[in-house]
This record gives sequence, structure tokens and C-alpha cells, in this order.
Amino acid sequence: GDSVTQMEGPVTLSEEAFLTINCTYTATGYPSLFWYVQYPGEGLQLLLKATKADDKGSNKGFEATYRKETTSFHLEKGSVQVSDSAVYFCALRTSGTYKYIFGTGTRLKVLA
Amino acid sequence: DAGVIQSPRHEVTEMGQEVTLRCKPISGHDYLFWYRQTMMRGLELLIYFNNNVPIDDSGMPEDRFSAKMPNASFSTLKIQPSEPRDSAVYFCASSPGDGGSYEQYFGPGTRLTVT
Repeated sequence: GDSVTQMEGPVTLSEEAFLTINCTYTATGYPSLFWYVQYPGEGLQLLLKATKADDKGSNKGFEATYRKETTSFHLEKGSVQVSDSAVYFCALRTSGTYKYIFGTGTRLKVLA
Repeated sequence: DAGVIQSPRHEVTEMGQEVTLRCKPISGHDYLFWYRQTMMRGLELLIYFNNNVPIDDSGMPEDRFSAKMPNASFSTLKIQPSEPRDSAVYFCASSPGDGGSYEQYFGPGTRLTVT
């Protein structure tokens, strides 16, 4: 079945460091890919998305490129801030369905 | 828009009691999802509705769980009887569906503790 695999956390970085959170997927058909962020005590919020191969999603300095050849959708940010501390979820939606498959989440902690 | 609204935000109950969680989706959204989040199992989809009709309830853990959507602006998730292993954060999410971007918009969640 479809699945999403994320790198294990927690990830601890100093402010202004470069961030990469790896995400790979297995899916039939042509999925749409998403990154969601969850701040403490809150629900998940959409961070960015990509709906077809080679699309780049971007928002708030975060980017991720849909790589069909490597079945990946890695999240990157050039310079993290303390306010980016949160849990990040990679997710896919297979075409023809409204269900999302979420990864296990990666906790990011940014130190001042 | 106020976003997805869930109530209560916190619920503490004793084992064996009935628990009802409530959700108001974003107006105009055709899809509603119920999720459960725990440290051990992560984020699990329990059930989702399209135009108030349950489409997939394969994630509902057992018969103690039931969900309804009597109209487009209200849904409930009921657990009867509750057990300590039901302790989790329960999220409701809605999505515009066809013609939209398939994004899911999450509520703030209900933290359930069963003692």
C-alpha cells in the first residue's frame, strides 16, 4: 500500500542553520505531496504542497521539490529560526482518493 | 472564516463513560475527516465523510467508536464505553474536495484523557 517515510527526529539546530528533513514515499498512480507543520498544542497546518513531478512548493522560506525519479519530497530551509520549532509531517494523497497518508512526523528544535 | 472548530478542547473522563467529541467544519467544505494522534501510533485516519455520508470507516478501531454527520456543519465522534487506551488527541479536518486543492484544514484538536 501507499506509505510515507520520514527521517527520525528530533532534529536540533542552531538558529540560522540549514534545515533538511527527508521524506520518501511509495504510491500507486500520481500522488500529490504535502508538508504540514504542527506547533505545540495546535492542529496541523499546511506548509506547502506539490501536485506533479518537478513542482516546487514553497512557503515562509521552506521549499520542497517533487522528485518522481527518487520518490522524494525533502523539506529544506536555508536559515531556521527559533519560531520554526515544531513537528513537521510529510503526507501524500493518491489521485482518485481524498485520504491522506501521513508520515510519523519529525520534531525540529531550533536553539537561539 | 473561523476555521475548523472542535469542542471540547480537553476532556477527562473515567473508564466506562461515554465521550462525545464535536466538530464544525469550514463552511462550504464537502469533506470531513476524523484523526487520532498518539505518540505510539502517530496520526491515524479514523473515518471520513463526503457530503455528510461516511465514505471510509476502515480506521475506526472497534465498535466502541462511532461517528455521525447529521448535517453539513456538524459532526460527532462518540466513544462508548471509553477505555484508558483511547487517551489521545483527536483532530477533525475538513477539505473543499472537488474543484478545490484537496488541502485539509485541521481543527485545534480535543485532548482526551481516560482514567
